[in-house]
Amino acid sequence: EAGVAQSPRYKIIEKRQSVAFWCNPISGHATLYWYQQILGQGPKLLIQFQNNGVVDDSQLPKDRFSAERLKGVDSTLKIQPAKLEDSAVYLCASSFGIAGVQETQYFGPGTRLLVL
Amino acid sequence: AQKITQTQPGMFVQEKEAVTLDCTYDTSDQSYGLFWYKQPSSGEMIFLIYQGSYDEQNATEGRYSLNFQKARKSANLVISASQLGDSAMYFCAMRGSGGSYIPTFGRGTSLIVHP
Repeated sequence: EAGVAQSPRYKIIEKRQSVAFWCNPISGHATLYWYQQILGQGPKLLIQFQNNGVVDDSQLPKDRFSAERLKGVDSTLKIQPAKLEDSAVYLCASSFGIAGVQETQYFGPGTRLLVL
Repeated sequence: AQKITQTQPGMFVQEKEAVTLDCTYDTSDQSYGLFWYKQPSSGEMIFLIYQGSYDEQNATEGRYSLNFQKARKSANLVISASQLGDSAMYFCAMRGSGGSYIPTFGRGTSLIVHP
């Protein structure tokens, strides 16, 4: 079974530029998550999708970040314009079920973003 | 609101010894799940073990076990017979039945296994 795929693996941009990350979850997984992990910290949830609907985006900086999962499968996270403090690893994860305390997330390899 | 606290920024253990990584949590939910993940230097988060709040027995998965003390709100990870490949960051996380089951992670503990 293929795992969660993410691309690109690395990205270097200058501040005020835009960038997009792509994620393809494990086949059949209904829920998809995007996290931001700043160096030395735990992952912070940015947005959670169930199929193509948003469950939670309370920690997504909506003035510059956007995300979509149009067909309920793969997803794109965009930053426009980027700031220096956006330098982080962006992790995508998926889980099988719709909701539940037992739902285990499976993570992709992440995208390391450096904003200069 | 739910919160995960991992107070050990770094831990060292000798190969083949056991090590305990601490995790305490705070939640007002009656039903919740606790998870441990491993993050090697490559960056990918790897699921290790799960414990449900209503599970009466501590979870075990191979060399990993979870010491669940509900009254103390602690969910410590025990790694037995440490191996060099266990060197990584370890994160404790939880999902509560309130608030759409949004996952919350701790800050992590860095484990270094010495030969």
